[in-house]
Amino acid sequence: VQLVESGGGVVQPGRSLRLSCVPSGFAFNSFAMHWVRQAPGKGLEWVSFISYDGNIRDYADSVRGRFTISRDNFKKTLYLQVSTLTADDTAIYYCARHGGDGSFDFWGQGTLVTVSS
Amino acid sequence: SHVVTQPPSVSAAPGQAARITCGGDNFAHIGVHWLQQRPGQAPVLVISNDSDRPSGIPERFSGSHSGNTATLTISRVEAGDEADYYCQISDSSNNHPVFGGGTKLTVL
Repeated sequence: VQLVESGGGVVQPGRSLRLSCVPSGFAFNSFAMHWVRQAPGKGLEWVSFISYDGNIRDYADSVRGRFTISRDNFKKTLYLQVSTLTADDTAIYYCARHGGDGSFDFWGQGTLVTVSS
Repeated sequence: SHVVTQPPSVSAAPGQAARITCGGDNFAHIGVHWLQQRPGQAPVLVISNDSDRPSGIPERFSGSHSGNTATLTISRVEAGDEADYYCQISDSSNNHPVFGGGTKLTVL
């Protein structure tokens, strides 16, 4: 199992980015997925969840209304559209696979988003 | 929502056991998962559902859960075990994942 994130970078406050996560080594269309972030020197913070078919989506209160999770099971890609960014959104963004027991059983290496003017 | 508490730091000498706790209110019937994050690396699941060890994780890693406290035990600690360890649960009120603040394990 491998997860590879991309799309991070330096962005000005108020702007947007689209993060991507490309999986391999498992049947992507059978697994729910998450985004988790980690601010520099801080702990892990859950950001968003999407069901295996994309029909169920959920968000942390801190990002609801600004971030949008989606997936394309044909292209085998998970996305996170991040908008109206603030300095508090500066973090490494990880995609993670949802384990059947509620755990995060596989993680990507992350992509760094830095919000700065 | 659940607040999940971990000690900020734990230390152990090589060959000794390290124990990291994770607690909160109304914790007794919630499955607890544990993640290891070595410096500069992504997290790795080391224990799921209180005590299940994923494939590839050494037997030195074990988990337990009693009442409102879950414990990750690393027996015969090695230098390579030095890392941040996070516990994780699902909040029963909204099913949102919640992480503890993390515990830094220092191998003396």
